Amino acid sequence: NAGVTQTPKFQVLKTGQSMTLQCAQDMNHNSMYWYRQDPGMGLRLIYYSASEGTTDKGEVPNGYNVSRLNKREFSLRLESAAPSQTSVYFCASQKQGSETQYFGPGTRLLVL
Amino acid sequence: RKEVEQDPGPFNVPEGATVAFNCTYSNSASQSFFWYRQDCRKEPKLLMSVYSSGNEDGRFTAQLNRASQYISLLIRDSKLSDSATYLCVVNMGGSARQLTFGSGTQLTVLP
Repeated sequence: NAGVTQTPKFQVLKTGQSMTLQCAQDMNHNSMYWYRQDPGMGLRLIYYSASEGTTDKGEVPNGYNVSRLNKREFSLRLESAAPSQTSVYFCASQKQGSETQYFGPGTRLLVL
Repeated sequence: RKEVEQDPGPFNVPEGATVAFNCTYSNSASQSFFWYRQDCRKEPKLLMSVYSSGNEDGRFTAQLNRASQYISLLIRDSKLSDSATYLCVVNMGGSARQLTFGSGTQLTVLP
């Protein structure tokens, strides 16, 4: 099992460009999450998907959209990147009935 | 006020020392509590859950005080490999059982 995988690992964007961060899990987990991590701020929830076909906003959803493509995949889209979106993005998944979240290796995004 | 607050450190301790981290949370209705470990430039990983009665896993002991809304992590006989950032994590309830993360306490164990 690969666990949770994310692509790309690194990305540099110019202000106004768009991109999609990909996340996939092979653990048959129902719930998936997107977080961003900034220095001194801890991880903050952007969006989550409690099950296939549903998505909900987290603490900091502005400027982002998500798609739960199927049970395995949960993508995060930046339509018009801003420097404030420079961050490390982590995807996580969680099995139904468990409280443990498993994280992917992260995507480091720099917006110039 | 942050929902989950931790002393950011850094804590620099010699090998073999005992070190304790503290964490406070703001929501008295919080349901469950965890410590995650995050190595430099890596993803967070669950270290241990925190139970009301306190729990121990080898050199690691976690305590919860619901009345004071306080969580602690004690590391005994610290090893070089314990160097990491320790994240205090709280499940504040809700339909999606969302986790709220503290900003982390950085530990460096020195030889």
